Amino acid sequence: GAVVSQHPSRVICKSGTSVKIECRSLDFQATTMFWYRQFPKQSLMLMATSNEGSKATYEQGVEKDKFLINHASLTLSTLTVTSAHPEDSSFYICSGRITSTDTQYFGPGTRLTVL
Amino acid sequence: TQLLEQSPQFLSIQEGENLTVYCNSSSVFSSLQWYRQEPGEGPVLLVTVVTGGEVKKLKRLTFQFGDARKDSSLHITAAQPGDTGLYLCAGAQDYKLSFGAGTTVTVRA
Repeated sequence: GAVVSQHPSRVICKSGTSVKIECRSLDFQATTMFWYRQFPKQSLMLMATSNEGSKATYEQGVEKDKFLINHASLTLSTLTVTSAHPEDSSFYICSGRITSTDTQYFGPGTRLTVL
Repeated sequence: TQLLEQSPQFLSIQEGENLTVYCNSSSVFSSLQWYRQEPGEGPVLLVTVVTGGEVKKLKRLTFQFGDARKDSSLHITAAQPGDTGLYLCAGAQDYKLSFGAGTTVTVRA
């Protein structure tokens, strides 16, 4: 299957700081990548759709100014959590979509803890 | 309200038994994907089903997509402790995935 990496795998930061998470498709080109968050014991909730070379599309209730997404190339999307607060602590997971099979392949996730 | 209703939420069985997980919706999906997720990791794709009525088999796992492309099931035959994990179904609409709440499967040795 296709491989997606995320960096970092874990990050701890102080309240008020910004954190950048990288998502890379290692062996395929992803015109579209997606960002999800997952709280303990819950399923994945889509935050935004990241399109290469254009603006991201955010789901209802997700603040675009707080969660900045950049998809500058066909293999890299970044999510920046700006002015992070404890309630932003969560497991953030990205995926890359392979168009021909309409299938998403997920990264290993990033555990964000905001103190 | 979740678009996909997944049941049961928890399933605990003895090694060697069979199990079935269901994924139901009133919406039609262009495809449906099943994933398995371990704690602290991202979901790993098990299968994608696209055609209504499609049945796919992967070793002891059998996946079925409903004729109307609204529901799906995952059946595991002779479950093993290594099958323990969180199983997630996800339906695709307009390139986006909507996930079910997940089924936590525990297979006791």
